[in-house]
Amino acid sequence: GAGVSQSPSNKVTEKGKDVELRCDPISGHTALYWYRQSLGQGLEFLIYFQGNSAPDKSGLPSDRFSAERTGGSVSTLTIQRTQQEDSAVYLCASSPRWGSSYEQYFGPGTRLTVT
Amino acid sequence: GNSVTQMEGPVTLSEEAFLTINCTYTATGYPSLFWYVQYPGEGLQLLLKATKADDKGSNKGFEATYRKETTSFHLEKGSVQVSDSAVYFCAYLTGGGNKLTFGTGTQLKVEL
Repeated sequence: GAGVSQSPSNKVTEKGKDVELRCDPISGHTALYWYRQSLGQGLEFLIYFQGNSAPDKSGLPSDRFSAERTGGSVSTLTIQRTQQEDSAVYLCASSPRWGSSYEQYFGPGTRLTVT
Repeated sequence: GNSVTQMEGPVTLSEEAFLTINCTYTATGYPSLFWYVQYPGEGLQLLLKATKADDKGSNKGFEATYRKETTSFHLEKGSVQVSDSAVYFCAYLTGGGNKLTFGTGTQLKVEL
């Protein structure tokens, strides 16, 4: 079946602009995760959604970052007033449920470049 | 704090050589441990995992054993191939099961 998809695959934006990144998880997966992969920081957890529970936002680096998940499926990560340090590959992952027994399946990522 | 430490790369080997990529972790409790692989131009893929002490994860000729006493999960392969060239990430999942903590990644280059 289809894997996790993300769009756009590449995004170039000017400093100060807002951007929205989209993630379509695997159908039926109730858990959805956002990570960021950057040269300076490696792979970092950003936010996690599980069903209708309140999301775990503990990894968001600043209040310029927010995410929502509509209808328990598609998720959008929004970065307001982008800064150059936001340049990174943003990865989305989903799993059937949360928990150590469930593999997280990763999407191809969105490469964000802030100029 | 919680962290994963893995050996820095790049690691360059000849085909059929033995591979070890070291990984140690600092975490409370008994986390599940993972190796993920990222082939050039592709997304992260789970390579293998182990969920409790002394478990051995294996896949595609790679193995790693969960060593609680040394808090380690070293990746090994007896005979690498050019197609194994990729970046390898060690990671653990906390008991809460809601986020992976990754190492910095180790680039492996296998040459003929």
